[in-house]
Amino acid sequence: DVKVTQSSRYLVKRTGEKVFLECVQDMDHENMFWYRQDPGLGLRLIYFSYDVKMKEKGDIPEGYSVSREKKERFSLILESASTNQTSMYLCASIHGRTGGEKLFFGSGTQLSVL
Amino acid sequence: ILNVEQSPQSLHVQEGDSTNFTCSFPSSNFYALHWYRWETAKSPEALFVMTLNGDEKKKGRISATLNTKEGYSYLYIKGSQPEDSATYLCAFNDYKLSFGAGTTVTVRA
Repeated sequence: DVKVTQSSRYLVKRTGEKVFLECVQDMDHENMFWYRQDPGLGLRLIYFSYDVKMKEKGDIPEGYSVSREKKERFSLILESASTNQTSMYLCASIHGRTGGEKLFFGSGTQLSVL
Repeated sequence: ILNVEQSPQSLHVQEGDSTNFTCSFPSSNFYALHWYRWETAKSPEALFVMTLNGDEKKKGRISATLNTKEGYSYLYIKGSQPEDSATYLCAFNDYKLSFGAGTTVTVRA
């Protein structure tokens, strides 16, 4: 069974902390994505990566960075957490982006920044 | 920011009734249009991925159509059941994958 695993289901952090959200996929997918979900706004793309060490900004990259040192792992980094980054974060992966393949999602990380 | 719009934002349906809702997207740089179902406390799961203008896909009582020239897709649910209650998301693939805000469907028994 294919899997996208996010390291934490719930996280509570303090304002100003550096936060790491980890995502691992076991499907040998080239492409990985980080989204955040807020009520009424759907899923908004933060960053994506189409290969190891390659990354591109999504629609809302401010305040975030990413790291992809290995194909299976894509990390989202909040350099200095702020209260407006309290949200549900979803990681997803897909093999190819230009054909008929589908995204596989992790179970999400609910982050609260106090 | 890419403009993927879904309407309505929410709808309530009586069990047994049929319903449909819309996803609109830019008509340029099109690779694929995705539909996902997102149930509470679960991860989004793919329903359909459509790549060609005129595509129609069906999975049980749920079906979808695609018009890439005018930039819209419809999702249909026939004979709604309580287990169809979920948020339905569409995603436009133009190299990156951008989602709409979703349509939340509540089916009343």
